[in-house]
Amino acid sequence: KNQVEQSPQSLIILEGKNCTLQCNYTVSPFSNLRWYKQDTGRGPVSLTIMTFSENTKSNGRYTATLDADTKQSSLHITASQLSDSASYICVSGEGGNTGKLIFGQGTTLQVKP
Amino acid sequence: DAGVIQSPRHEVTEMGQEVTLRCKPISGHDYLFWYRQTMMRGLELLIYFNNNVPIDDSGMPEDRFSAKMPNASFSTLKIQPSEPRDSAVYFCASRRQGAVTEAFFGQGTRLTVV
Repeated sequence: KNQVEQSPQSLIILEGKNCTLQCNYTVSPFSNLRWYKQDTGRGPVSLTIMTFSENTKSNGRYTATLDADTKQSSLHITASQLSDSASYICVSGEGGNTGKLIFGQGTTLQVKP
Repeated sequence: DAGVIQSPRHEVTEMGQEVTLRCKPISGHDYLFWYRQTMMRGLELLIYFNNNVPIDDSGMPEDRFSAKMPNASFSTLKIQPSEPRDSAVYFCASRRQGAVTEAFFGQGTRLTVV
C-alpha cells in the first residue's frame, strides 16, 4: 500500500532555532515529493516540489532534501520564526500519470518566543 | 485568479440531513480533488476528477457520499444521509495536467453533524 510516514508527530522549538522534519515514503511508482505548510484553519500551501532526480530544493528559510534510494525526505527550517508555527505535511505524487497525491499525517511545529 | 473557492466555510447539520459542499477550481486546471481532514486520520483523498471525469473514487467512505463535476468550473460533494462521524474539514484542490504541477487548496468546509 502506498503511504507516507512523518516524524516527529509534533515538535516545539524556540524562536531563532533550526529544526528538521523527517518523511519516509513507500509509493510506487514514484513521481515527486512535496512539502506543504498548513496554518490552523487554512488549506495546505505548497512549499517545495522535487522529482526523483533532485536532491535538494530551497524556498527561503525552508530547504527540502530527497534521497530516492532510501525513500526519505527531510524539511529543514532555518532561524525559525513564530509564523512558522503550523503543520508540515509531506506528500508523495504517484507516477504513471495518475495525478494522485499521497499525504502524510503531518508534523505539528510550535515555535515559542 | 481568486484561487480555489469552497462554500460554505462552515456547516452545522443534524444527523440524517443531506449536506452539499461546493467547489470552484482555478480556471484552466485539469484535476480536481476532494479531501477530508480529521485529527485522527489526517488528509484523506476521497475522489478526484481529470477533465471533469471521475478517475478514482476508492476513498469515498460509503454510498452515502457522492461527488459530481458537471463542468470544468464546478464540483459538488454530497453526503446523504449525514452522520456524526462525517464531521471533519473537507478540502477541495485543483492543479494543471503534469507530474509536478502545484496543487492549490481551498480554505475548506468545516462540517459538524450533530
